[in-house]
Amino acid sequence: KQEVTQIPAALSVPEGENLVLNCSFTDSAIYNLQWFRQDPGKGLTSLLLIQSSQREQTSGRLNASLDKSSGRSTLYIAASQPGDSATYLCAVKGNQAGTALIFGKGTTLSVSS
Amino acid sequence: DADVTQTPRNRITKTGKRIMLECSQTKGHDRMYWYRQDPGLGLRLIYYSFDVKDINKGEISDGYSVSRQAQAKFSLSLESAIPNQTALYFCATSGAGSRDLSLDTQYFGPGTRLTVL
Repeated sequence: KQEVTQIPAALSVPEGENLVLNCSFTDSAIYNLQWFRQDPGKGLTSLLLIQSSQREQTSGRLNASLDKSSGRSTLYIAASQPGDSATYLCAVKGNQAGTALIFGKGTTLSVSS
Repeated sequence: DADVTQTPRNRITKTGKRIMLECSQTKGHDRMYWYRQDPGLGLRLIYYSFDVKDINKGEISDGYSVSRQAQAKFSLSLESAIPNQTALYFCATSGAGSRDLSLDTQYFGPGTRLTVL
């Protein structure tokens, strides 16, 4: 059974810092890995999708990497801003459950000004 | 207008009541999903549907049922609500036009906050 783990569960940084969020998964047979952002009480916004054949994806200040063989992904946020404060969720699409996403529990990021 | 809409956005009900949560999408996607989110447990899959005639149970389907009324509509029902079904419920869709599952991105609705007293 696929399991997705995100470390740390919470992170507080001052504005301007670069930071890394970690995601690990137990079954490397995945189609893709997605990173989402969730603001309190809100829905999920897709940030980046990395296909299983890719090593990384970039969008603005965000860079996500994927090492499928070791079951790891990282989300790098450059020059963090208070508006980046949110919960970041990692999810993998595998061949279980009809390819629905399996989610980690998230990392809650707080960026102070 | 939002691509994936959920109604109601908030609902308070009592134990034993029947309740339906509705999801509509304008993305033309074939696949639709229902998840629930609980503090400390993350998002978990309840049911999913790959087309109107295809309904499948997810990880936590007990106590729930679904109906895919059309390609664009997927509803979730709690036949007899209980307090531990208090959660944030999300509908999601995926699969417009691409057979490459590695490109398949899920799009989420805004969520329904359900409280069962």
